[in-house]
Amino acid sequence: EDQVTQSPEALRLQEGESSSLNCSYTVSGLRGLFWYRQDPGKGPEFLFTLYSAGEEKEKERLKATLTKKESFLHITAPKPEDSATYLCAVQALSGGSYIPTFGRGTSLIVHP
Amino acid sequence: DSGVTQTPKHLITATGQRVTLRCSPRSGDLSVYWYQQSLDQGLQFLIQYYNGEERAKGNILERFSAQQFPDLHSELNLSSLELGDSALYFCASSPGTLEAFFGQGTRLTVV
Repeated sequence: EDQVTQSPEALRLQEGESSSLNCSYTVSGLRGLFWYRQDPGKGPEFLFTLYSAGEEKEKERLKATLTKKESFLHITAPKPEDSATYLCAVQALSGGSYIPTFGRGTSLIVHP
Repeated sequence: DSGVTQTPKHLITATGQRVTLRCSPRSGDLSVYWYQQSLDQGLQFLIQYYNGEERAKGNILERFSAQQFPDLHSELNLSSLELGDSALYFCASSPGTLEAFFGQGTRLTVV
């Protein structure tokens, strides 16, 4: 069964303290891996799509990387406004269709 | 604002009832996805439509159905509601590339 596992489940950082979130996946026929940010009670906000191993994407303090088995979301010098749940998702071939599968997310709190 | 509009924002209904959730995708997006998010299950893919046709199906119950209309808006119908159906229901739209843009969700409470 295709799986997407995110770690840690929760992360508390001090403002300016850089860290990384992990997303490991076991799927066949990967079409793409996505990172989203979700604030409480809101819809997920698209951040990045990664298509192949070795690919990297950056946006402000966030950088996403991809290997054949996992992806990392690096947060450099985070600010309190970066506090949110970060979701990883993959779209992979299953039963003839491309199915999106989400991880459970990492809840990030950045203290001032 | 993602440009995806979901109505209603909140819905409270009784067990056994039927409800319809509505989604208007971003202008020009042909693809619509429906998801269910609960505390114990996370974000679960239900179904995808592309230009009016069903494209992919996830863990959607037989009591649930969806459709996409010629103007590309979509509706998710939930029937014979149970307490366990209480959740946030999200719609997302995509232009056909892989990234999807989510609406703000409909919070369904079944009492």
